[in-house]
Amino acid sequence: GENVEQHPSTLSVQEGDSAVIKCTYSDSASNYFPWYKQELGKRPQLIIDIRSNVGEKKDQRIAVTLNKTAKHFSLHITETQPEDSAVYFCAAIHTGGFKTIFGAGTRLFVKA
Amino acid sequence: ETGVTQSPTHLIKTRGQQVTLRCSSQSGHNTVSWYQQALGQGPQFIFQYYREEENGRGNFPPRFSGLQFPNYSSELNVNALELDDSALYLCASSPGGTPQETQYFGPGTRLLVL
Repeated sequence: GENVEQHPSTLSVQEGDSAVIKCTYSDSASNYFPWYKQELGKRPQLIIDIRSNVGEKKDQRIAVTLNKTAKHFSLHITETQPEDSAVYFCAAIHTGGFKTIFGAGTRLFVKA
Repeated sequence: ETGVTQSPTHLIKTRGQQVTLRCSSQSGHNTVSWYQQALGQGPQFIFQYYREEENGRGNFPPRFSGLQFPNYSSELNVNALELDDSALYLCASSPGGTPQETQYFGPGTRLLVL
């Protein structure tokens, strides 16, 4: 069945450093890849997304890259700040399907 | 914050009981999805409704059922509760009937089954 693997499960960085989270999906028909940030006790919130016809997308300190051939996509956060500390989830959605498959999450700690 | 609300915020039930969780979607959003999020894991897709019809379902047994109403509200019903049903239940709404749309999550209902 469809599966999204996410690594690492925990990531600790120093404030100002970059953080990279990687995901791999199994369903080659997936064509939409959102990333969510979930702070403790709060709802997941979309931070960036990318569609399969685009290789890279950037929004200020956040960027996402997609390699459809390898079925990999990654989240890059530059100049990390303590408020970036949260759990980040990647997800993949199958074109024509109505099911969002989430990764298991990455807990990011940004140390001041 | 999104315009998606859920009730109740917390709920405690015993094994074998039935539970109904409620979601109020953002106005104008015709699609609602429900997810189960166990502690320390990513959300697992339960099902999705579009204009009151179920149009997608994840790997959950039939004792998980849902309803969507014309007033942008919806329900998740779980029968014969099991201990493993303890989780955060999230609903998410989006405007139309396609999956490649931004989903707006509610705050969730935390269910504990004893």
